[in-house]
Amino acid sequence: SQTIHQWPATLVQPVGSPLSLECTVEGTSNPNLYWYRQAAGRGLQLLFYSVGIGQISSEVPQNLSASRPQDRQFILSSKKLLLSDSGFYLCASVVKTSYNEQFFGPGTRLTVL
Amino acid sequence: QKEVEQDPGPLSVPEGAIVSLNCTYSNSAFQYFMWYRQYSRKGPELLMYTYSSGNKEDGRFTAQVDKSSKYISLFIRDSQPSDSATYLCAMDDSNYKLTFGKGTLLTVNP
Repeated sequence: SQTIHQWPATLVQPVGSPLSLECTVEGTSNPNLYWYRQAAGRGLQLLFYSVGIGQISSEVPQNLSASRPQDRQFILSSKKLLLSDSGFYLCASVVKTSYNEQFFGPGTRLTVL
Repeated sequence: QKEVEQDPGPLSVPEGAIVSLNCTYSNSAFQYFMWYRQYSRKGPELLMYTYSSGNKEDGRFTAQVDKSSKYISLFIRDSQPSDSATYLCAMDDSNYKLTFGKGTLLTVNP
């Protein structure tokens, strides 16, 4: 079975500062990878997904970006954080089988002040 | 109309009660239906998935899908305090992405 690591677990950043969140996956190869943001009362919002190295699809236009430099590494970045970027960021991985069973990491709680 | 509608609750029940959680959807292309459980400050974990209309049982949990009504349910029998969590429905149209409901917060009181 696969294991998803995310770090840091919690982060407090000032407005305007840069951001880098990392997600790595163990136990599988060539997964589809996803970044979600979960804000209180708003459910899971898909931000980016990737079907392979260097392949990124953006779901929501914003000041965030994603990169996939290695098969099992997915990075979420921002050059300048906004207050509205606060939330719980989740990385998910899918083994490419017949259905889209997504495994989630433990998440990073980001507070922008 | 949003693609997936889920009552956010909160829902509070006594221990031992039968819990019913529901989602409705509008997209006929959805083929797989899943329920995730999320404990506070943790990532969601998959509870059950179903493909066709009908019921699927796993221990105290039963997932029900009615494609004709575009309605899915999760039943929890003999609910326990450890079942207290947010339950998210999710649906897949085989296009790499899941569409999630907003989640229902459940509290089971001892």
